[in-house]
Amino acid sequence: DGGITQSPKYLFRKEGQNVTLSCEQNLNHDAMYWYRQDPGQGLRLIYYSQIVNDFQKGDIAEGYSVSREKKESFPLTVTSAQKNPTAFYLCASSIDPRGNQPQHFGDGTRLSIL
Amino acid sequence: AQSVTQPDIHITVSEGASLELRCNYSYGATPYLFWYVQSPGQGLQLLLKYFSGDTLVQGIKGFEAEFKRSQSSFNLRKPSVHWSDAAEYFCASNNAGNMLTFGGGTRLMVKP
Repeated sequence: DGGITQSPKYLFRKEGQNVTLSCEQNLNHDAMYWYRQDPGQGLRLIYYSQIVNDFQKGDIAEGYSVSREKKESFPLTVTSAQKNPTAFYLCASSIDPRGNQPQHFGDGTRLSIL
Repeated sequence: AQSVTQPDIHITVSEGASLELRCNYSYGATPYLFWYVQSPGQGLQLLLKYFSGDTLVQGIKGFEAEFKRSQSSFNLRKPSVHWSDAAEYFCASNNAGNMLTFGGGTRLMVKP
């Protein structure tokens, strides 16, 4: 079955450490997205990519980095510059990079600070 | 900037009762509108979408939503709620290119 796989499901970060969240899709979608979810704040866009080797900052990109070297993969690195990384992170993809079709979501990664 | 507002943070209904979750958007042109549902610790699942045409759209799991341009609303409804409908519901809008704007979510609790 096609879908989006996020791993790991739970992740712990030590102070000063960078961590990378994995997102893989086999839907052959061009566009991929990373969101951060905090209680009571809905979803906020971190980064998005409309095509391989290209990505754009979203509303809260500071302290995060991404790459899009392959169509099916869009990893997110939470750097030590992100001072409040504890959140639920969701990856999504869409067949239409213009955003005119629904986004499909993975099951998320919950990141916590040790 | 566009925004999506879900006025109700929490709603509790009895099983078998009807449900309406409110969503308001702010944008001049007709937006693309979506409702998603999220179970605890899970990703978001699309319930339904509105692009154009008939203002009453049917979705999965017995849900429907009505687009009302005059009220800038896209409320989600279900005639009879089941205990399995307890979840968080998000309204989203896309009318500025390639980004979705999400509302803050409404958490639905279902009483037996």
